Amino acid sequence: DAGVTQSPTHLIKTRGQQVTLRCSPKSGHDTVSWYQQALGQGPQFIFQYYEEEERQRGNFPDRFSGHQFPNYSSELNVNALLLGDSALYLCASSGGGGQPQHFGDGTRLSIL
Amino acid sequence: EDQVTQSPEALRLQEGESSSLNCSYTVSGLRGLFWYRQDPGKGPEFLFTLYSAGEEKEKERLKATLTKKESFLHITAPKPEDSATYLCAVQDNNDMRFGAGTRLTVKP
Repeated sequence: DAGVTQSPTHLIKTRGQQVTLRCSPKSGHDTVSWYQQALGQGPQFIFQYYEEEERQRGNFPDRFSGHQFPNYSSELNVNALLLGDSALYLCASSGGGGQPQHFGDGTRLSIL
Repeated sequence: EDQVTQSPEALRLQEGESSSLNCSYTVSGLRGLFWYRQDPGKGPEFLFTLYSAGEEKEKERLKATLTKKESFLHITAPKPEDSATYLCAVQDNNDMRFGAGTRLTVKP
């Protein structure tokens, strides 16, 4: 049973560029959440998708956007990259309703 | 505003030396408190969910407990392979909020 998979594993970009990160949820899960984790910190909630709609959003600017596809996979897009966007981006999936979220191993994004 | 505070930030134990990690929280409308383990370069791995005060969950050397203001993760007779960062998270009606974690090192 495949867990949550994310791609790519590492990415290097320069300031001002845009990036797309991808996530396939665990089989049977329909809800996908995205998190940003800075070094030495806990994950910070970006947003959550359910039924192809953004259901909840954390305190992140509009430069961060997402999408969920009919097969429940999801993308995170970040525009106009800043140095401070360097972090580990984690995707988590769940069956919803307070069930635990299961995480992928993340995409390490470095901004030069 | 919801807050999650974990202590200590780092903990070094000798193999077999039992201890506890603390997670203090303030949240409106707790839907669940979650414990995760995170190894370097990996995503968080789910350990436990606790839903109401008084609830306890156990798995191997780990035991999680919950009160109305805090949760404890008790580690009994730890082994070096228990070394990791342990994250606590609370879920309300809006989102999931994580603490900064406790970095546990168990020396043989």
